[in-house]
Order: sequence, then C-alpha cells, then structure tokens
Amino acid sequence: DTAVSQTPKYLVTQMGNDKSIKCEQNLGHDTMYWYKQDSKKFLKIMFSYNNKELIINETVPNRFSPKSPDKAHLNLHINSLELGDSAVYFCASSRQGEIGYTFGSGTRLTVV
Amino acid sequence: KNQVEQSPQSLIILEGKNCTLQCNYTVSPFSNLRWYKQDTGRGPVSLTIMTFSENTKSNGRYTATLDADTKQSSLHITASQLSDSASYICVVSSWGGATNKLIFGTGTLLAVQP
Repeated sequence: DTAVSQTPKYLVTQMGNDKSIKCEQNLGHDTMYWYKQDSKKFLKIMFSYNNKELIINETVPNRFSPKSPDKAHLNLHINSLELGDSAVYFCASSRQGEIGYTFGSGTRLTVV
Repeated sequence: KNQVEQSPQSLIILEGKNCTLQCNYTVSPFSNLRWYKQDTGRGPVSLTIMTFSENTKSNGRYTATLDADTKQSSLHITASQLSDSASYICVVSSWGGATNKLIFGTGTLLAVQP
C-alpha cells in the first residue's frame, strides 16, 4: 500500500556505468518529481512531469534523462555515472492545484 | 535569489523538553511554507503547510508559526519524544505561473536523548 515507491533503495555502481531508478505512485496524482539530496542534506529539484509532460528541467547534466511512460510512473536514467552523482534521489508526486506533496523513501546511489 | 535558511544546524535536547526551530526565507513570489520531518533513510513527510494568511498551525505536538512580513517561520516541538529525532526541513513554495516550485532549506538535525 506504499503511496510513492522507488526501486532500488540502494544502488552501488562503478563510474561510467548506466543505471535507472524507477518510481511509481498509486495516489492518482498527475505530477511527479525527481529531487537530489546531496551529502549536506540539501534537497534540490531536478525534473517535474505533469501528465507525462516535462514542465520543470533544472540545470542537470544531459546524462540524466527522465522518462514518464504514464502518469503513475517517472523513471530516471543516468548515463556515464560520475563520482559526483553519488547522492540520495527522491521521487515525489502531487496533484495539480493541491499543495500536498508525497515523497518516496529515496534511492541511495553510490558511484565508486 | 530565492533562499531558505534554517537555524540551528543541529540541536540536542533531552526527552520531554520543548524546542523551537527557525526558518528565514527570501522567496518571491511566495505561495506557501511547509515544514517536513525526514527520518534517517526515509523521504520527507509533511508536518504543516501554511499559506500567506495563516499565522500558526498545529499538528499534534508540532506548532508552526509564520510571519509573512518578516519572512520568518518557526517550528515548536512540545514535550519531545525520542521518535522526534530527525531532520526538520523548512520548504517555501513559489508559484512560477505554471508550476509550484519548492525551495528547500538545509534542515535542522534534531537529536532527542533519554
């Protein structure tokens, strides 16, 4: 019955690899987000999708590509991983016109 | 520049005591202010959400205040419990026309000791 679920919870990979993080929400929300939380615990938005359409794309390297196959899913694909990509990535969702956000439990990515 | 600053950075209190966390922001246009609690290894969970016209809002032992004139907010925790140990993040929402953008503070790490 998890509202916003991310997989995997932990991901350890080598530099240069390509990896994906999946996110699914069962709240019926129409907007989904990806946030990055760095080592200083600072959360920063990366992307936002509304009804499968990209509406926010902050300054993020092109190696990061979000994909939203439907309103309930927003996946994050990362190419050519770098050490600096190590962080916790949070997926979140909301309903347009409402101010409540629901966050997933995060994916801790470690690039070695 | 839109910014949210929190103080203190970290705080240790004894179980049963009260504490107050501070948040100052320079965000425009202002939409609303939220306080989140983030347990270790978990995603942020909303405690309170306040719009421009709201001065105070409570959620159990958590009471948030908002002074939109001075652009300050506080989160007061009453009769702290061990389970209150977490990061508390102040988030200000800015309406950008088509989207609501969240600006996160860096959080206050609270440790409640027995």
